[in-house]
Formats: sequence, C-alpha cells, structure tokens
Amino acid sequence: SQTIHQWPATLVQPVGSPLSLECTVEGTSNPNLYWYRQAAGRGLQLLFYSVGIGQISSEVPQNLSASRPQDRQFILSSKKLLLSDSGFYLCAWGDGSGANVLTFGAGSRLTVL
Amino acid sequence: GQNIDQPTEMTATEGAIVQINCTYQTSGFNGLFWYQQHAGEAPTFLSYNVLDGLEEKGRFSSFLSRSKGYSYLLLKELQMKDSASYLCAVRDSNYQLIWGAGTKLIIKP
Repeated sequence: SQTIHQWPATLVQPVGSPLSLECTVEGTSNPNLYWYRQAAGRGLQLLFYSVGIGQISSEVPQNLSASRPQDRQFILSSKKLLLSDSGFYLCAWGDGSGANVLTFGAGSRLTVL
Repeated sequence: GQNIDQPTEMTATEGAIVQINCTYQTSGFNGLFWYQQHAGEAPTFLSYNVLDGLEEKGRFSSFLSRSKGYSYLLLKELQMKDSASYLCAVRDSNYQLIWGAGTKLIIKP
C-alpha cells in the first residue's frame, strides 16, 4: 500500500532563516505530488505541484520554492522566511485515477517569529 | 472569480443526523470532493461526486446537483469522533482543485 511521510511535524523558525520541508511517498512510482498551505479560516492553497522528477509548477509566486530530486521525494524550501510564511503545510500525492484522489501527509506546522 | 461556500461552524447531537452544505461557483466542473480533517491533522478523503445524485458510504452520504452548483454531506448516527472540519473542494475546467474554508462540526453528547 501507498504511504506518504512528511517532516518535520513542527518547527519554529526566526524571520530570515531558511526552510526545508521534506515529503516522501512509498508504494507507488511517478506520483503526482503537491504542496499546499492551510491558513486558519481559509481553504487549502496550492503552492506547487510536480508530475515528475525536476518538473515543478508554481501556483503562487512567493519566496518559497520546491524541488523534486527523486521520483518519490518532494521538498519545499525557502532561503529567507517571512512572518507571513507561518502556517500548516501539507504534502499530498494524487492516485492517478479519474478522480485523482489526494492523500495527504501528516502536515508540518511552521511558526515564524 | 471562483468561490466555494460552506457554513463556518455547525453543532449537532450525538446519534442525530447533520447535513453540511456546499455551494460553488467555478470555471467549469470536473468533480466535487469531501474531506474530513480532525484538528491538527491532515485531511482524509470521504467522497467524490461527478454526476448528479446521491453517493452513500456507510453513515456518510454525499449529494450533488451540478445545475444548482450545490452539494451536501449527510452524516447519520453521529458519533463523538465525527467532530472535525469537513472540507468541500471542486475541480474546475483546468483540473485545479478549489477548496472551501471548511465547516467545523461540533458534536455534543
């Protein structure tokens, strides 16, 4: 069966510091991978998605970036965090069916101080 | 613009039935999803509707009317563990998911 791992679960970072959130998927090959951010009282916001190694589509221009160095690895990064980057970050993979149901990782709670 | 509307919060009693509504205005339609999200956790998939009508899965059912831009999630025989947020999401003509802000459901004994 497929599983998705995301870490770290929680982190507190100072403004201007770098960020790296990692996501890996097991039990499937060439998955569609997604990074979302969830802010309180708002719908999930798609940040990046990837259909294959090295293929990244950005939905929201900002100081975040994503990379896919391996088939089942998806990384969210920032060189300098802003206060507004605080939030709950979710990695997801799509099952590739007609519905392309998303399965989410456990999430990473980022607080920027 | 694209918009998904759901009530912010609902309260129901254990053992009862609750209906959570979702209305949408999107550029095209390629399916509607309901996800459950417990506090501090990731969303988990509940249901998918692409054609009009009712889809039933145990205690949960989801209904879709494409002509009205409307869906509802029906939860029967409510249990305390059903206390969670319920997210409605619509896939538009570009196959992008548009998410509602979620409905927080509070179950009281």
